[in-house]
Amino acid sequence: DAGITQSPRHKVTETGTPVTLRCHQTENHRYMYWYRQDPGHGLRLIHYSYGVKDTDKGEVSDGYSVSRSKTEDFLLTLESATSSQTSVYFCAISRGEVTDTQYFGPGTRLTVL
Amino acid sequence: AQSVAQPEDQVNVAEGNPLTVKCTYSVSGNPYLFWYVQYPNRGLQFLLKYITGDNLVKGSYGFEAEFNKSQTSFHLKKPSALVSDSALYFCAVRAPNAGNNRKLIWGLGTSLAVNP
Repeated sequence: DAGITQSPRHKVTETGTPVTLRCHQTENHRYMYWYRQDPGHGLRLIHYSYGVKDTDKGEVSDGYSVSRSKTEDFLLTLESATSSQTSVYFCAISRGEVTDTQYFGPGTRLTVL
Repeated sequence: AQSVAQPEDQVNVAEGNPLTVKCTYSVSGNPYLFWYVQYPNRGLQFLLKYITGDNLVKGSYGFEAEFNKSQTSFHLKKPSALVSDSALYFCAVRAPNAGNNRKLIWGLGTSLAVNP
């Protein structure tokens, strides 16, 4: 999986609790992305980062925040989880050229009860 | 608005037959086009991409895709399907000249079932 790990791989939590998902890469790629995948919606971009401390919103960023203090780590935080955030979350990386391929991690399955 | 369409939610083919998974796009300029595959309970795997040049692009696992600018299409093909090709396939497009924006525009996916 292109040197990308995600943790945890599975998580069950309750509504209102904070949750942090971690994406770690060993490729030293500049760009990192967080997506969620839901039936009928395909892949939707939550946030992305184009460098350390440089992040921007995607199409479904409400309720999520991100941080990137090191090149290799990109954290996604749900400040107060809701049932609508039950989903499979994927991290992806790319080198940064406009023609680049995005490579995906194995995913985190999050269930919010 | 920029968009990607995969007009078929599901495609069924018999093993050994050729397969086609369709993708059309609406993006200004000369886009960069990608195909990914997702096996059950796995992340997405890159299959192939079109950047420029030859309209027929060859990728992993015997797949190829044909870029057709006049029809704004980028259909995925394979001459002889295998049962192991059964998976979810995603088409994605990136617009050129996007500054720091490297975002991909995704289709909703097509489920391919190859029957023995």
